[in-house]
Amino acid sequence: DGGITQSPKYLFRKEGQNVTLSCEQNLNHDAMYWYRQDPGQGLRLIYYSQIVNDFQKGDIAEGYSVSREKKESFPLTVTSAQKNPTAFYLCASRTKAGTRHNEQFFGPGTRLTVL
Amino acid sequence: KQEVTQIPAALSVPEGENLVLNCSFTDSAIYNLQWFRQDPGKGLTSLLLIQSSQREQTSGRLNASLDKSSGRSTLYIAASQPGDSATYLCAVHPSGSARQLTFGSGTQLTVLP
Repeated sequence: DGGITQSPKYLFRKEGQNVTLSCEQNLNHDAMYWYRQDPGQGLRLIYYSQIVNDFQKGDIAEGYSVSREKKESFPLTVTSAQKNPTAFYLCASRTKAGTRHNEQFFGPGTRLTVL
Repeated sequence: KQEVTQIPAALSVPEGENLVLNCSFTDSAIYNLQWFRQDPGKGLTSLLLIQSSQREQTSGRLNASLDKSSGRSTLYIAASQPGDSATYLCAVHPSGSARQLTFGSGTQLTVLP
């Protein structure tokens, strides 16, 4: 089955800790994205990557970092500099830029809670 | 800056009703528009994608329309069922950018049996 997996499903962090959220896709998509969702709000873009070894900041990148060493993987690190990290984190990938569809597909999400 | 608005924020209907969810956007220069469904605590499931050159798309009981000039899209759900209960999000993909979707905050739909 092709799809996007995220792990863990639930993650608890103590203040001052860095934590890393995993995102893997086997859809052979070039572009991958990380979004944050807060209750009652739409999704906001944290980081995105259009190709391996390249990534760009989104609207709310402060306190987050990413890497894109492999096409299939786009891990997100929530650092201690992120002051309000409790949220639902969603990873997405997109069909090839310039194709007819250019459609985004989403993983199941990781819920991060700061204790 | 593109802004996407969805009204109403919440909607309850009895089973069997036909219903319309609304989405408006401020910048008509879009590449496409996507409608998603989100169940509580879950990721987003893509329902329909409309290219900027299209007027509507249909999938089963769902029909999405797009009026780019007026900055509006609607999602029509026919013969609603309790299993349709979820939050419905629309998102626009701007023209000339491979970047991000801009999301509305969603409409929470409850279909009462």
